Amino acid sequence: AQRVTQPEKLLSVFKGAPVELKCNYSYSGSPELFWYVQYSRQRLQLLLRHISRESIKGFTADLNKGETSFHLKKPFAQEEDSAMYYCAHPPNAGGTSYGKLTFGQGTILTVHP
Amino acid sequence: DTGVSQDPRHKITKRGQNVTFRCDPISEHNRLYWYRQTLGQGPEFLTYFQNEAQLEKSRLLSDRFSAERPKGSFSTLEIQRTEQGDSAMYLCASSPGRFETQGNTIYFGEGSWLTVV
Repeated sequence: AQRVTQPEKLLSVFKGAPVELKCNYSYSGSPELFWYVQYSRQRLQLLLRHISRESIKGFTADLNKGETSFHLKKPFAQEEDSAMYYCAHPPNAGGTSYGKLTFGQGTILTVHP
Repeated sequence: DTGVSQDPRHKITKRGQNVTFRCDPISEHNRLYWYRQTLGQGPEFLTYFQNEAQLEKSRLLSDRFSAERPKGSFSTLEIQRTEQGDSAMYLCASSPGRFETQGNTIYFGEGSWLTVV
């Protein structure tokens, strides 16, 4: 079965420090990967998609097929980045099942002042 | 707010009772999804609709669970004879359903918390 692994349940950094949230996937084929974020008392929302290769709120994520990883990075963390972060991917690209996502267990990021 | 809305936001029920959750997707979104999330876990896919057709159901969706989307707009998720293991957050999401525009981007509601006592 396709899996997404986020090895860290908790991650704490100080404001201004670099942060990296790890995500590894087991996927046969071309993966389409996402990072979703949930801020306190807010709904789960898309942060970024690997296919668009964009930077959102200073975050980037690079797909490394060799290491089957899609780590989320930010060079200088801010207090408002404190949230739950989920890595996710669909079971297959295209077809009738896209939109169905497999989520990792999530990483709680705390950025201390 | 034109996002996905869910009702009720919280529900406490006694074991054995039936509960129903409603989801109103973003207007004109063809696809609607139900997920379940328990504490310490990421959301888990339950089922999804393309318009009014239920196209896929997870093995997590036991026969006590039924979901409908009768007119291709709002959806309901009913749990019959609730058990304590059903206690979870039930998330609804929707997407345009047009891969060439937004692909797999789905938009979540705030969820409905169920506590079975």
